[in-house]
Amino acid sequence: EAGVTQSPTHLIKTRGQQATLRCSPISGHTSVYWYQQALGLGLQFLLWYDEGEERNRGNFPPRFSGRQFPNYSSELNVNALELEDSALYLCASSLLMNTGELFFGEGSRLTVL
Amino acid sequence: QQQVKQSPQSLIVQKGGISIINCAYENTAFDYFPWYQQFPGKGPALLIAIRPDVSEKKEGRFTISFNKSAKQFSLHIMDSQPGDSATYFCAASIQGAQKLVFGQGTRLTINP
Repeated sequence: EAGVTQSPTHLIKTRGQQATLRCSPISGHTSVYWYQQALGLGLQFLLWYDEGEERNRGNFPPRFSGRQFPNYSSELNVNALELEDSALYLCASSLLMNTGELFFGEGSRLTVL
Repeated sequence: QQQVKQSPQSLIVQKGGISIINCAYENTAFDYFPWYQQFPGKGPALLIAIRPDVSEKKEGRFTISFNKSAKQFSLHIMDSQPGDSATYFCAASIQGAQKLVFGQGTRLTINP
């Protein structure tokens, strides 16, 4: 069974541009989560989508947005990129959050120059 | 209140030794405490988890100790092996809140 897949693996953008990251959850998982892993800051919760709806949002500005498609895949959009947006963006999926087990992809490395 | 504080940031242990990583939290509503393991170039993967109704959980060489009154929990890795070298994250969540709060991570190196 395929795990969580993310694309692209690496992305280089310049300040002010927009970045779009994509995620395909494990088959059967309806919840998708996005986390930002910046150097030395651990994993910061960004967004949670379930059944096509945004269910929860972390402490990030509105230029971080996303959506979930009918096939449960998801994309994360970051507008007006800033240098500090450079990070590894991790997508995770779950079937039942109450177990606490998130299944993570390998991430998309975004570099903002 | 939503923070989970993890220490140390990095840890070097000799092969066969015991690795200990500590976490502390403030929000008493947290009721689920997992540990995730992350190898370079990979996403984090669930290692072991505990709920506050027990003080200890053991799975193979990995043990979580939980102190509810002190609001602290720790990961012990017995007989540490070079293959255990990775970054470890503690986390906490409130059941149904659908959000895991992660610690800062500990980079563990096991010397052969």
